[in-house]
Amino acid sequence: SQQGEEDPQALSIQEGENATMNCSYKTSINNLQWYRQNSGRGLVHLILIRSNEREKHSGRLRVTLDTSKKSSSLLITASRAADTASYFCATVAGNTPLVFGKGTRLSVIA
Amino acid sequence: EAGVTQFPSHSVIEKGQTVTLRCDPISGHDNLYWYRRVMGKEIKFLLHFVKESKQDESGMPNNRFLAERTGGTYSTLKVQPAELEDSGVYFCASSLGLAAYEQYFGPGTRLTVT
Repeated sequence: SQQGEEDPQALSIQEGENATMNCSYKTSINNLQWYRQNSGRGLVHLILIRSNEREKHSGRLRVTLDTSKKSSSLLITASRAADTASYFCATVAGNTPLVFGKGTRLSVIA
Repeated sequence: EAGVTQFPSHSVIEKGQTVTLRCDPISGHDNLYWYRRVMGKEIKFLLHFVKESKQDESGMPNNRFLAERTGGTYSTLKVQPAELEDSGVYFCASSLGLAAYEQYFGPGTRLTVT
């Protein structure tokens, strides 16, 4: 299985601080995607990084990918209370379906 | 443009009963996926439709689960008979391309089997 595993499982920070979440996986991938789930809502796609990319930015989000270590990190800068959610990484290999990790619960305290 | 919609948002049924979940993908998306998240565990793939055909149903847990996508539009996922371990959130997603592309998720259906 190429299951993604997020680390930490839960993270609590103050508003304005940066939040870093990590994801590890087991096999070769085509791309890695990060999703967010607000309480009671569906999954929202945040960013996709391909296996030949090392870093990608989108607004306050920065994603890195290290294929040699089979790991990725998601950095949220200048966090806001609205960033409180669960964050999941999901990997794709070939045309296989997304394989999700268990997620990181982020709490941003105002 | 309307996103992926799912119905119902929440269903509470007794063990042994039948429940049917519905997913309406984004118009024009040939690919439709079902996932579920059992409490405290990771989100797991159930199956994938390309139009009305089942492309991959390797994640379906057992034959109590039946998914259909008649006409290649909306899809239903029927659980019959429901068991306690079926409780969780069932997500539907759709995409233009295959899994390597961005999938758009619905809000999910929370299923509680008592």
